[in-house]
Amino acid sequence: ETGVTQTPRHLVMGMTNKKSLKCEQHLGHNAMYWYKQSAKKPLELMFVYSLEERVENNSVPSRFSPECPNSSHLFLHLHTLQPEDSALYLCASSQGLAGMVNEQFFGPGTRLTVL
Amino acid sequence: TQLLEQSPQFLSIQEGENLTVYCNSSSVFSSLQWYRQEPGEGPVLLVTVVTGGEVKKLKRLTFQFGDARKDSSLHITAAQPGDTGLYLCGLKAGTYKYIFGTGTRLKVLA
Repeated sequence: ETGVTQTPRHLVMGMTNKKSLKCEQHLGHNAMYWYKQSAKKPLELMFVYSLEERVENNSVPSRFSPECPNSSHLFLHLHTLQPEDSALYLCASSQGLAGMVNEQFFGPGTRLTVL
Repeated sequence: TQLLEQSPQFLSIQEGENLTVYCNSSSVFSSLQWYRQEPGEGPVLLVTVVTGGEVKKLKRLTFQFGDARKDSSLHITAAQPGDTGLYLCGLKAGTYKYIFGTGTRLKVLA
């Protein structure tokens, strides 16, 4: 596998379910990100981890719970979601160095539908 | 707060036509990335522009960074159906902070 991978690619869940999204990066980066992408809205940054430490949490509801066990893996645990949480969830990674260009590389996303 | 505005929001053209999309910032930025996102997929990095006035070419795509480093453009020559997608510009605003525009949704008709 190369780049950033995400599983599952599609997920349909009820509001009372618990599920997890998985992301893995094979680029040797030290920072990983979760974004939410809804129709007609810019990408919304949810969480950032650097070297397994959370460095950003953008006022995300507690029904979303991130986990970063090591610098290559990132999870997003979901529970009691709402229909408005339906969106494309994107994982990204970068080399988090201050003052450098450091492009972000994205995974293919998980299309989440909450019924 | 730095914002990125992209125009136009939507563009539908015939195969073989040329087009230009724009990305404008409220502030000077040091570098800018352009991505293409196909339906149901994540954004794929096309190019990074760093120097004011810089021009980069990627086959039929030409990327330009404005001299004042507040704007950038993407020009596609002889568009093909495979160019269809959402074109996003983005920039790094902090060590872990990235800002993206709302994108230009391009459809190229065969």
